Amino acid sequence: DAGVIQSPRHEVTEMGQEVTLRCKPISGHNSLFWYRQTMMRGLELLIYFNNNVPIDDSGMPEDRFSAKMPNASFSTLKIQPSEPRDSAVYFCASTLRRSQETQYFGPGTRLLVL
Amino acid sequence: GNSVTQMEGPVTLSEEAFLTINCTYTATGYPSLFWYVQYPGEGLQLLLKATKADDKGSNKGFEATYRKETTSFHLEKGSVQVSDSAVYFCALSGNRDDKIIFGKGTRLHILP
Repeated sequence: DAGVIQSPRHEVTEMGQEVTLRCKPISGHNSLFWYRQTMMRGLELLIYFNNNVPIDDSGMPEDRFSAKMPNASFSTLKIQPSEPRDSAVYFCASTLRRSQETQYFGPGTRLLVL
Repeated sequence: GNSVTQMEGPVTLSEEAFLTINCTYTATGYPSLFWYVQYPGEGLQLLLKATKADDKGSNKGFEATYRKETTSFHLEKGSVQVSDSAVYFCALSGNRDDKIIFGKGTRLHILP
């Protein structure tokens, strides 16, 4: 079975540009999570969806960040405009049936904003 | 609210040494407890889990026991290998929460 798929794997962009990160969860999973990982702040939950509906976006840093899940097999995380402090590894994870279930992580997108 | 505290790293050991990474938690109710591992350049993956008090999770020679009386879930391995070098995350999920609360991670270096 295919795991969680993220694209692109690496992204280098200039400050002020729009960045879109993509995620395809494991088929049949109905919860999806976006995380950001940096050396300074560790692993942070940005937002999560249940049955395509955003449930908690309290971790989204600011209005420059937005996330959508138009259907059960696709989600995007968008940063507009991007800033150097957004440089991080962004992970998508999915799980079946919410709490106490194992989360399956994608390989991550390594973002560098110059 | 729910939280997880794990020992800070990095932890450096020689191959075949005994490993303990401490983890304690604060939670209401009866959370599930997890250890995730992140190898260089990869996403996190589940190492083991325990869903109720006194359960022992085990995988790849690693073990952790859910201790409700001490609110702990320490990770142990009797003889580490160079290939165990990674970052280890302790985590919990409440029985009503949708999300998993992760600790800050402990970086483990195993020297040959």
